[in-house]
Amino acid sequence: EPEVTQTPSHQVTQMGQEVILRCVPISNHLYFYWYRQILGQKVEFLVSFYNNEISEKSEIFDDQFSVERPDGSNFTLKIRSTKLEDSAMYFCASRLRGPTGAFFGQGTRLTVV
Amino acid sequence: RKEVEQDPGPFNVPEGATVAFNCTYSNSASQSFFWYRQDCRKEPKLLMSVYSSGNEDGRFTAQLNRASQYISLLIRDSKLSDSATYLCVVNQGDSSYKLIFGSGTRLLVRP
Repeated sequence: EPEVTQTPSHQVTQMGQEVILRCVPISNHLYFYWYRQILGQKVEFLVSFYNNEISEKSEIFDDQFSVERPDGSNFTLKIRSTKLEDSAMYFCASRLRGPTGAFFGQGTRLTVV
Repeated sequence: RKEVEQDPGPFNVPEGATVAFNCTYSNSASQSFFWYRQDCRKEPKLLMSVYSSGNEDGRFTAQLNRASQYISLLIRDSKLSDSATYLCVVNQGDSSYKLIFGSGTRLLVRP
């Protein structure tokens, strides 16, 4: 069964460092997302990506965040200068066109120290 | 008002019980609706889509009331493996691609 894969599963970084979280969405999917979940809190939308551009972003997704789809398969989230409050589980998701649900990767746990 | 609102629970039920979860959403333009389940420290997994006419998948039944902006999930004959957090998820509409998550309702099924 096709699945969304994310690497690494866990990343520890020092405050102020840049991190890149990687995702390989399901191959025939068209919409791509990044979400985050701070421990004990709800899943929060960060950004959606369609047709090689950002289609929507939340207030959380400020200038420190960027996304890229550098080739036909990978989808990355970059945080330029990490803050302590960026510590969270980051989920990548993808879906087909139309009223379909999104499928999530297993997540990257980011710990900023 | 929260975009997607759920009773946080926890619901603590014995095996074999029937349990119902409710969810309300604030944006009347919302187009698509889903239930996800999330196990502790794992990713959300799509359980089922919710259609206007209501739909069933085995022991799970989902209902949508657009007039009341209300979604429900009924689980019959609960199993221990149903213990998880159930997330109500709403797609805002055709011009918005984002899925908005509720905070989830925690279910504990005891032997």
